[in-house]
Amino acid sequence: KNEVEQSPQNLTAQEGEFITINCSYSVGISALHWLQQHPGGGIVSLFMLSSGKKKHGRLIATINIQEKHSSLHITASHPRDSAVYICAVFSGTYKYIFGTGTRLKVLA
Amino acid sequence: EPEVTQTPSHQVTQMGQEVILRCVPISNHLYFYWYRQILGQKVEFLVSFYNNEISEKSEIFDDQFSVERPDGSNFTLKIRSTKLEDSAMYFCASRDRQVPPLETQYFGPGTRLLVL
Repeated sequence: KNEVEQSPQNLTAQEGEFITINCSYSVGISALHWLQQHPGGGIVSLFMLSSGKKKHGRLIATINIQEKHSSLHITASHPRDSAVYICAVFSGTYKYIFGTGTRLKVLA
Repeated sequence: EPEVTQTPSHQVTQMGQEVILRCVPISNHLYFYWYRQILGQKVEFLVSFYNNEISEKSEIFDDQFSVERPDGSNFTLKIRSTKLEDSAMYFCASRDRQVPPLETQYFGPGTRLLVL
């Protein structure tokens, strides 16, 4: 079993829809990281969380440490949001454990 | 805006050959990382580096791998004797600040390594 699980694995949405991507983990963590990987392979950091909620533009990330769960929400989705969204957790001081990613496609 | 750069963008090598992947982290950053992503699979942590030494390494980072910061700007990953299964995209990342882990990591564009 993976220590970091994401759902769904694949998601297709219509432009404008509200999107939720989930991440559950089974290890103790000090922080959780949401990343976006573009079709060309480049990786961009979106959020790092250790508690609560963060918002940046149309993106919102929440984390519930007790439930070992985090969600990434995209409001008013747009085709340019199409990418793979990756959840990664910091377990220990330096070790990153990555989820398998959620492939999002937003149709115009 | 400062960015992490990596060279080469693509490298093709023969099995058994040594390769060196190069990264130039953002200049005032203190923590450096290498990750790899085999085609179609998830990103995997390889190694973290701080204060001129390895902070943590994964099970993947065996004796065939080494990292170095030879001149205060470059950060290199060397694979001594490449295997077919080393074919992957290799990402470098760097981070500022001394308080892990809440500071954002900045990723380079990756080097795609193909071992034949």
